[in-house]
Amino acid sequence: NAGVMQNPRHLVRRRGQEARLRCSPMKGHSHVYWYRQLPEEGLKFMVYLQKENIIDESGMPKERFSAEFPKEGPSILRIQQVVRGDSAAYFCASSPLAGGEKDIQYFGAGTRLSVL
Amino acid sequence: GENVEQHPSTLSVQEGDSAVIKCTYSDSASNYFPWYKQELGKRPQLIIDIRSNVGEKKDQRIAVTLNKTAKHFSLHITETQPEDSAVYFCANEKLTFGTGTRLTIIP
Repeated sequence: NAGVMQNPRHLVRRRGQEARLRCSPMKGHSHVYWYRQLPEEGLKFMVYLQKENIIDESGMPKERFSAEFPKEGPSILRIQQVVRGDSAAYFCASSPLAGGEKDIQYFGAGTRLSVL
Repeated sequence: GENVEQHPSTLSVQEGDSAVIKCTYSDSASNYFPWYKQELGKRPQLIIDIRSNVGEKKDQRIAVTLNKTAKHFSLHITETQPEDSAVYFCANEKLTFGTGTRLTIIP
């Protein structure tokens, strides 16, 4: 059973470009979470999605950031018009449980975004 | 909003000694508290978790204690080894993470 798969592992973008980060949850998991980790800092929750639904986006910046988890295919975190401050590691996690309790999460290896 | 505070931010321990990391939380309705270990440049990995129906849970050299009245929980690592060096994060079920503790084991 493959773990949570994220790609690319490293992504370099110039200011103003778009960044697309992909996450395939573990087999059998239908809940996906995205986190951002700035250098030397902790994990910050961004968004929680189920298939075709955004459940909680309270951690998402109001502009330029969007996320989706379509019926088919991976979850996508999209950052438009990137700025240097977007440089960070973006981690995806998945869990198997439904309901209000977000339970055990399994993390992907992360995508390290560098904005030049 | 939710708040999880973690202390200390850095901790150096002689190999073989014990390490304790503490977290406090603000939401009294929280029922699930995981601990993650993140080695340099790697993904966070769940190492132990505890639910509110128990006060302590142990897995070999790692244990977690929970005090619901005081709203704090702690990670205990005994007989520390060099491979325990990492950043440790506590969290609650609301997906709020602590700021992390960088644990360094001194050989």
